[in-house]
Amino acid sequence: DTEVTQTPKHLVMGMTNKKSLKCEQHMGHRAMYWYKQKAKKPPELMFVYSYEKLSINESVPSRFSPECPNSSLLNLHLHALQPEDSALYLCASSQGFLQDNEQFFGPGTRLTVL
Amino acid sequence: RKEVEQDPGPFNVPEGATVAFNCTYSNSASQSFFWYRQDCRKEPKLLMSVYSSGNEDGRFTAQLNRASQYISLLIRDSKLSDSATYLCVISGNTPLVFGKGTRLSVIA
Repeated sequence: DTEVTQTPKHLVMGMTNKKSLKCEQHMGHRAMYWYKQKAKKPPELMFVYSYEKLSINESVPSRFSPECPNSSLLNLHLHALQPEDSALYLCASSQGFLQDNEQFFGPGTRLTVL
Repeated sequence: RKEVEQDPGPFNVPEGATVAFNCTYSNSASQSFFWYRQDCRKEPKLLMSVYSSGNEDGRFTAQLNRASQYISLLIRDSKLSDSATYLCVISGNTPLVFGKGTRLSVIA
């Protein structure tokens, strides 16, 4: 299995809603990542988990809350988002963090905040 | 100087043409180099890792020049299906740093 899966594919939410994005990989990778990508821009790193521990938080607002329940799963909890948070949210995984770090991306969740 | 710089294009080339992209990087301690391809509204997909000795995969050839701090991607015999954005990606003691991408359109 060389796939990273993400659910849902699309999400529309209001500014007062609470929702979660989910990511799963079964490649035995020990590093997992959340990225945000706006149209015609490269992916921007949000969070990195290495061995299920948060290693990097790129000064992301607290309305985004990551969680790594186990080595295969990564969640992103969303609360009180703003319309400018609308974007494609990409999950990725790699064998290791900083080394063996070819990253494999999931298909993304396209988020629209109304 | 930005960490990773790419010509955004677009590069519009006819089918069968050879096209090359360069990408410069500022961190001399960078250790890993990759080319990713991203189709419109899809996720980035790893195209090639780039090794010091250069590497080739079919119609695609990647080179690394550490002295001048750039990597290159050469595509021979372009196909319509090669139309995409090509992202230069670098890492060292930091997670991956993405270039802004070079847009390629192959025209029939």
